[in-house]
Amino acid sequence: NAGVMQNPRHLVRRRGQEARLRCSPMKGHSHVYWYRQLPEEGLKFMVYLQKENIIDESGMPKERFSAEFPKEGPSILRIQQVVRGDSAAYFCASSPRFEASEKLFFGSGTQLSVL
Amino acid sequence: EDQVTQSPEALRLQEGESSSLNCSYTVSGLRGLFWYRQDPGKGPEFLFTLYSAGEEKEKERLKATLTKKESFLHITAPKPEDSATYLCAVQAPGGSNYKLTFGKGTLLTVNP
Repeated sequence: NAGVMQNPRHLVRRRGQEARLRCSPMKGHSHVYWYRQLPEEGLKFMVYLQKENIIDESGMPKERFSAEFPKEGPSILRIQQVVRGDSAAYFCASSPRFEASEKLFFGSGTQLSVL
Repeated sequence: EDQVTQSPEALRLQEGESSSLNCSYTVSGLRGLFWYRQDPGKGPEFLFTLYSAGEEKEKERLKATLTKKESFLHITAPKPEDSATYLCAVQAPGGSNYKLTFGKGTLLTVNP
């Protein structure tokens, strides 16, 4: 049973370019969460999605960032016109259902570097 | 705003030397406190969930405890393979079980 798959593992972009990060949840999981880990900071929640729905995007920056989880295919976190401050590790997590006790299963992350 | 503070930032132990990691939190109405382990280049891996003061959970050489203000992760007779960053996170009330607030972690190094 494959775990949460994220790709690419490393992504280098120049300022002003677009970054697309992909996440395939664990088999049987229908809830996806994106977290960001800035250097010297703890993981911070960004967005929670279910298939074709954004449930909570309260942690997403208001501009340049968007996320989707289509009916078919992986979840995508999109960052437009990247800036150096976007350099961070982006982690995706999934869970099979929405329960207070449900633990999150994390992928290995995408390390985004903006030159 | 919910806050989680972990100490120490880094801890170096000799194999077999027991110790504890601390996680202090301020949250209005704790729903759950989580411990995760993170290896270099990997995502966090779930260890424990604690829900109420006085609760304890164990897994191999690890034991997590919870009070009203902090949690401890006790490591008994650690081995080099226990080397990792240990993350503490809290879950606030309001239905947002997925919105965890993480601390910065404690980097544990166990020397053979």
